[in-house]
Amino acid sequence: GAGVSQSPSNKVTEKGKDVELRCDPISGHTALYWYRQSLGQGLEFLIYFQGNSAPDKSGLPSDRFSAERTGGSVSTLTIQRTQQEDSAVYLCASSLGGRVKDGYTFGSGTRLTVV
Amino acid sequence: SQKIEQNSEALNIQEGKTATLTCNYTNYSPAYLQWYRQDPGRGPVFLLLIRENEKEKRKERLKVTFDTTLKQSLFHITASQPADSATYLCALDKLGNNDMRFGAGTRLTVKP
Repeated sequence: GAGVSQSPSNKVTEKGKDVELRCDPISGHTALYWYRQSLGQGLEFLIYFQGNSAPDKSGLPSDRFSAERTGGSVSTLTIQRTQQEDSAVYLCASSLGGRVKDGYTFGSGTRLTVV
Repeated sequence: SQKIEQNSEALNIQEGKTATLTCNYTNYSPAYLQWYRQDPGRGPVFLLLIRENEKEKRKERLKVTFDTTLKQSLFHITASQPADSATYLCALDKLGNNDMRFGAGTRLTVKP
């Protein structure tokens, strides 16, 4: 596609429910990244994919968080048993071949609110 | 511990002046440093990258410097315009990986 697409754009969920966030990267971009941004804060790294494998998942905050990528394209970030502190904007980015010199292209994010 | 610090949460300047934003880091040895612009409700947009062996990089009204001894990058916007008002984020690569770590950003407001 022309840009990085994330869905849903907004999600309100009850505490304890599971949520799935989707990221559709730019076609041909082999590297995909998930970040989290809380209100007024910087971007917190969650996980990085190169193809379908995740060389760096060090940023996942707990075992309630998981992510997968299939076919070297779409990625899903799953949060189980959501807590109020999970409320944030979840941003996905992709880059060509994982080369940082090209910069990242970000989606507009999914705003998650846990009530 | 590893830290990326941007000089201030907010910077207000008058239109036409040069805005200078600072990014300092500790316990990183980045090969690359990037700057992004983020508008409210949107994802960050890539602006510039500078490599560790480059001292300065320019793009139109933007200039970035990178001092690996001071562990600091400066981001300048010359002849600033109200449309430059946004949050600016610096990011640098974690050694050995291709993924970037971001600072908290500086919110720039350019007043007419």
